[in-house]
Amino acid sequence: EAGVTQFPSHSVIEKGQTVTLRCDPISGHDNLYWYRRVMGKEIKFLLHFVKESKQDESGMPNNRFLAERTGGTYSTLKVQPAELEDSGVYFCASRPGLDRNSPLHFGNGTRLTVT
Amino acid sequence: KNQVEQSPQSLIILEGKNCTLQCNYTVSPFSNLRWYKQDTGRGPVSLTIMTFSENTKSNGRYTATLDADTKQSSLHITASQLSDSASYICVVSARGGGADGLTFGKGTHLIIQP
Repeated sequence: EAGVTQFPSHSVIEKGQTVTLRCDPISGHDNLYWYRRVMGKEIKFLLHFVKESKQDESGMPNNRFLAERTGGTYSTLKVQPAELEDSGVYFCASRPGLDRNSPLHFGNGTRLTVT
Repeated sequence: KNQVEQSPQSLIILEGKNCTLQCNYTVSPFSNLRWYKQDTGRGPVSLTIMTFSENTKSNGRYTATLDADTKQSSLHITASQLSDSASYICVVSARGGGADGLTFGKGTHLIIQP
């Protein structure tokens, strides 16, 4: 079984540019999450999809961030325009169903550096 | 405010030795507590998940304990190996919380020296 895959693994962009991160969850996993870890801080929630619907986007920092999950398969997270404080590691995670006690499966993350 | 505090922040031990990592939380109402292992450059991988009624759970050389009364958990690693070098993250889930109500700790960075 393929795990959660994220692309790219690293991205370096200038302030004001646009970047799109992609996440392919484990096949059949309805729940998809985006998280972010800023240097020196803990991992924090950004948003949660159930299939193609946004279940909770309370963690999105501002309207420069746009997440989509068309067709309920892969998801993209676009940052436009990027700011210096957006630098960090963006993780995607997925899990299959409604069991809140089931583990999350994380991707290896995308390390975003905004200069 | 829900918080998860981990200690120590970092730890260096010799290969073959045991170690214990600590996690204190103030998440309420409690649903479950998870320990994840994160290798450098990789995503976190689940080690254990414990609910309110469980006070110990093992996964190979990893044993997690939970004291829901004192809101403390520990992760004990037995006979450490070089491959145990990683960050260990404590994650606590609140019942009814949005996005599974997960609160992450900052992690303990563990280094195993030969």
